[in-house]
Amino acid sequence: EAQVTQNPRYLITVTGKKLTVTCSQNMNHEYMSWYRQDPGLGLRQIYYSMNVEVTDKGDVPEGYKVSRKEKRNFPLILESPSPNQTSLYFCASKGLAENTDTQYFGPGTRLTVL
Amino acid sequence: RKEVEQDPGPFNVPEGATVAFNCTYSNSASQSFFWYRQDCRKEPKLLMSVYSSGNEDGRFTAQLNRASQYISLLIRDSKLSDSATYLCVVTLNAGNMLTFGGGTRLMVKP
Repeated sequence: EAQVTQNPRYLITVTGKKLTVTCSQNMNHEYMSWYRQDPGLGLRQIYYSMNVEVTDKGDVPEGYKVSRKEKRNFPLILESPSPNQTSLYFCASKGLAENTDTQYFGPGTRLTVL
Repeated sequence: RKEVEQDPGPFNVPEGATVAFNCTYSNSASQSFFWYRQDCRKEPKLLMSVYSSGNEDGRFTAQLNRASQYISLLIRDSKLSDSATYLCVVTLNAGNMLTFGGGTRLMVKP
């Protein structure tokens, strides 16, 4: 089954404790992206990647890092989480070779930083 | 001013009603346009792309007016299962940078 998976789905942590949210897709997609969703602000793009070893900032990259060492994985790293990073995070992927702009989203990770 | 603006609703309509959502965007360089659907606490899913010529998919019709920087979605014969939040999305940078509107919530009642 074609899918985007995220882990963990739920995480409660404390300020300053480094964490990584993993994202993996099995569709051989070149493009992957991270978003956060907050009430009243909608979804905002954090980082995206066009292919292995190619990453670019989205609208709200501050406080986040990403890496793309393999095509299927695009982890989101919070080196020193703060309470304002409490949010619902979505990973998405898209095939660039396909004649479509459809992005496939993962199920989301709900992060709480205390 | 937000880059993509939508009326948050909620729109409460009876089954069978026709309902229209609007969306405006501020960046005239925006390249592609979409409507996504998001159910409560779930991931967004593509509903349809939006073209200047207008496009229809069953009960759903989307329209783009580039001159006015305005996008619309029309849902005819509303079903209970149409209850969701509808997200207007515009893209830049060859579709790699997405900007979402805040979403319009639709509630279809029996």
